[in-house]
Amino acid sequence: QQQVKQSPQSLIVQKGGISIINCAYENTAFDYFPWYQQFPGKGPALLIAIRPDVSEKKEGRFTISFNKSAKQFSLHIMDSQPGDSATYFCAASTSGGTASKLTFGTGTRLQVTL
Amino acid sequence: GAGVSQTPSNKVTEKGKYVELRCDPISGHTALYWYRQSLGQGPEFLIYFQGTGAADDSGLPNDRFFAVRPEGSVSTLKIQRTERGDSAVYLCASSLTRSANTGELFFGEGSRLTVL
Repeated sequence: QQQVKQSPQSLIVQKGGISIINCAYENTAFDYFPWYQQFPGKGPALLIAIRPDVSEKKEGRFTISFNKSAKQFSLHIMDSQPGDSATYFCAASTSGGTASKLTFGTGTRLQVTL
Repeated sequence: GAGVSQTPSNKVTEKGKYVELRCDPISGHTALYWYRQSLGQGPEFLIYFQGTGAADDSGLPNDRFFAVRPEGSVSTLKIQRTERGDSAVYLCASSLTRSANTGELFFGEGSRLTVL
């Protein structure tokens, strides 16, 4: 059972444009939602994270929007740059007994063109 | 370097062989995680250590997979009687806190396992 669904699978955006990646979750016990960025041959690295007590979190060009009732959250990359070209994973976890686990989405391969 | 170190970076083995993958976490990180990433997929949780003990091994796919962390630092993921379906990148991560929910996970670059 895929608990975190991510779309699109791939995305091409022009330099300066806005990149938007969406995720939906099923488990209402999830209460922590990070986004990880992965470059080829490297491990994932934390980009930004949100908890459900806020609807939006912004860090520089990166913003997470969170809709608790719809069980959806999204990553917006403003003024996308070629250096943002990477694979992005949304994830979720609970603060209960399974707090050690992150459940990841299937990833979005972002390509930012000149 | 100060990051999570994984060895080997690449391992090619034959079906049925035994494999060990090593992870050296960031110094001082008490929590250690193993994930598996198949081609085109997100990382999938395998096992979590808090100190020396496996606090959650619910992600290990079957009894061919085993992991240890005898001194609370370096961890070894062991795979017996490897199968072609075990081919993947095995990622190790560590964190300062007990929980992935409260602390950032720092991932290594992974060990790419290919079973022929």
